[in-house]
Amino acid sequence: SQQGEEDPQALSIQEGENATMNCSYKTSINNLQWYRQNSGRGLVHLILIRSNEREKHSGRLRVTLDTSKKSSSLLITASRAADTASYFCATDGGNTGFQKLVFGTGTRLLVSP
Amino acid sequence: DTAVSQTPKYLVTQMGNDKSIKCEQNLGHDTMYWYKQDSKKFLKIMFSYNNKELIINETVPNRFSPKSPDKAHLNLHINSLELGDSAVYFCASSQFGAGSNQPQHFGDGTRLSIL
Repeated sequence: SQQGEEDPQALSIQEGENATMNCSYKTSINNLQWYRQNSGRGLVHLILIRSNEREKHSGRLRVTLDTSKKSSSLLITASRAADTASYFCATDGGNTGFQKLVFGTGTRLLVSP
Repeated sequence: DTAVSQTPKYLVTQMGNDKSIKCEQNLGHDTMYWYKQDSKKFLKIMFSYNNKELIINETVPNRFSPKSPDKAHLNLHINSLELGDSAVYFCASSQFGAGSNQPQHFGDGTRLSIL
C-alpha cells in the first residue's frame, strides 16, 4: 500500500508567504526524500533527511523529521511564483540492502504574484 | 546537457499496438528505474536495473518488458497496449545502486495516450 501521504493536497498562497507541507508514512524508514515536480516535467530531488536527523536546511527549504510520529514537513520560506509545483515525499521500507522508494500523493502548491 | 533523457516525449497510439520508450542517462549512475504516474499524479515504481541486472520487478503485467543493453540505457517495451496503460512514464537513475539513500534523477516523462 502507499507509504506516504501529503497534507494538504493543495495549497494556495501569495508570494512572500511561507508554505508548509506535511508527509505521513506508515513503516519505519532509513531516510526520507522530498521532490518537486513542475508541470509537464520530471521530479527534481530537493533534500534527503536520514532517520537519525531531526532537521535539515537547504536555501529557503527546511525539512523536519519526527520518526516517533512517522511524519515529516517541508517548509518553503519567502515563496516565489517559481515555487509553484507539486511536492512529493518519498520513503524507503526501513530495511537494509537495496530497496525502492515509495512516493506520497503530493501537495500541489500555487504561489500567486 | 540533459542528464536523463527519454524519447519520445509524447506517444499517441491505438489499443493493441506495441510501442517502446527509450531512456538514456549520462550521469554514470549504476541504477535505473521506470515509474508510472497516473492521472492523479500517483507515482509508482515498475522496474529497477542495477548494472544491467533486474533488481526490482513490481506487479506489472508481463506485457511490459524492460531491457537494459548497458548501464546507461533502460528501455521499456509494451505489448498489446490497453486503455489503462495511458499515463506518464518516467525514467530515473541513481548512483551506487542503493535505491533509497541516494537522490534519483528523473527524465521529463513520456506521455502515453491510448485511443
